[in-house]
Amino acid sequence: QKEVEQDPGPLSVPEGAIVSLNCTYSNSAFQYFMWYRQYSRKGPELLMYTYSSGNKEDGRFTAQVDKSSKYISLFIRDSQPSDSATYLCAMSATGANSKLTFGKGITLSVRP
Amino acid sequence: DAMVIQNPRYQVTQFGKPVTLSCSQTLNHNVMYWYQQKSSQAPKLLFHYYDKDFNNEADTPDNFQSRRPNTSFCFLDIRSPGLGDAAMYLCATSRQGGVGKLFFGSGTQLSVL
Repeated sequence: QKEVEQDPGPLSVPEGAIVSLNCTYSNSAFQYFMWYRQYSRKGPELLMYTYSSGNKEDGRFTAQVDKSSKYISLFIRDSQPSDSATYLCAMSATGANSKLTFGKGITLSVRP
Repeated sequence: DAMVIQNPRYQVTQFGKPVTLSCSQTLNHNVMYWYQQKSSQAPKLLFHYYDKDFNNEADTPDNFQSRRPNTSFCFLDIRSPGLGDAAMYLCATSRQGGVGKLFFGSGTQLSVL
């Protein structure tokens, strides 16, 4: 079993749809949970950052972490064509030398 | 704007011909990373530096080397590129203690002919 599993996609939705992206993980030591967005031919950029369990909202984006189920989600409300990108979940344990473990990413296309 | 800059954006090399990719940063971050990302795959960490302290991943091939002459610059050397080394190479930085908060460059897309 891989440490981080992400729905493979691709995913295509109409403009204005609510999008749900999900990852599961197996390492109970993970405490930091991130979503990175990667546009075509660009490097990933940090979109959402959460420590431990709970929800975090930033504009149209909401990140949820359920540590008991080892499951994280990213919700995008009122999706826009500019949201079309690859979304990578990433996780890390605590400690100065902890490294990120990324999911494979899911490519989202928002149709006008 | 403070940023992470990678050069070149696209690099074509021949099988077995050494190549060097460069990364510079204006963020003054003390941690720098090199990732390899192949199509539809997760970024794979090759190595990272805490200041000048070099940390190699156990499964990084010996063919890959890195240099960090100062805080701002970091280089990735591929001594004898093979066809399987064709990928996007991403440089990233973070502050020590900034767990998970990485700032990535735009990457160098390497093709091996």
